[in-house]
Amino acid sequence: VVMTQSPLSLPVTLGQPASISCRSTHSLIHTDGHTYLNWFQQRPGQSPRRLIYKVSNRDSGVPDRFSGSGSGTDFTLTISRVEAEDVGLYYCMQGLHWPWTFGQGTKVEIK
Amino acid sequence: EVQLVESGGRLVQPGGPLRVSCAASGFNFNGYWMSWVRQVPGKGLEWVANIDADGREKFYVDSVAGRFSVSRDNAQNALYLQMNSLTAEDTAVYFCARSPEKGTVDLWGQGTLVIVSS
Repeated sequence: VVMTQSPLSLPVTLGQPASISCRSTHSLIHTDGHTYLNWFQQRPGQSPRRLIYKVSNRDSGVPDRFSGSGSGTDFTLTISRVEAEDVGLYYCMQGLHWPWTFGQGTKVEIK
Repeated sequence: EVQLVESGGRLVQPGGPLRVSCAASGFNFNGYWMSWVRQVPGKGLEWVANIDADGREKFYVDSVAGRFSVSRDNAQNALYLQMNSLTAEDTAVYFCARSPEKGTVDLWGQGTLVIVSS
């Protein structure tokens, strides 16, 4: 399953919104009704950190300016108002089909 | 503190073996599936292997199947990745990660760097 993110580079003004798209070559809907799409943030020099699981469930401690949406094969991560600490790489990841696969990553930077 | 700490990464000759380890603490290790994920420095993330809570079910990405072996010691709260017949394409930071439910991981270690070079 190939995960394709766009854009790969996203310069954003502080306080402005940002959106990252992720498209899968296969549906990520399981027969149990859940959709196994995750979003991870990787700040410079750090390990990845999960932000969102099952499309739209935000992890504990993740600011509510982060939200996930989408269905089937098309998904979006939205940051409502970008802050300086949001700089880094963002990866979508599918956990339905083995091997689990990641998108190429989107680099968010401040203009 | 809930954490994962990898170790064992180093410079290794092409064709050689290496075992990396992951020490878990602060949670009930034997209740979780675990994963290995790698990242070539400056590049993206690649899933390597998954192992179930009992160590019986194992899954590998095609590029390492037959060369790598994932295992665990629940009594020691430890996860392992035995890597054989290493090539330059295996050079990467290897992360262990915890899987709290189907299709996801929620906790990552800091990673251990494996460099395959002569």
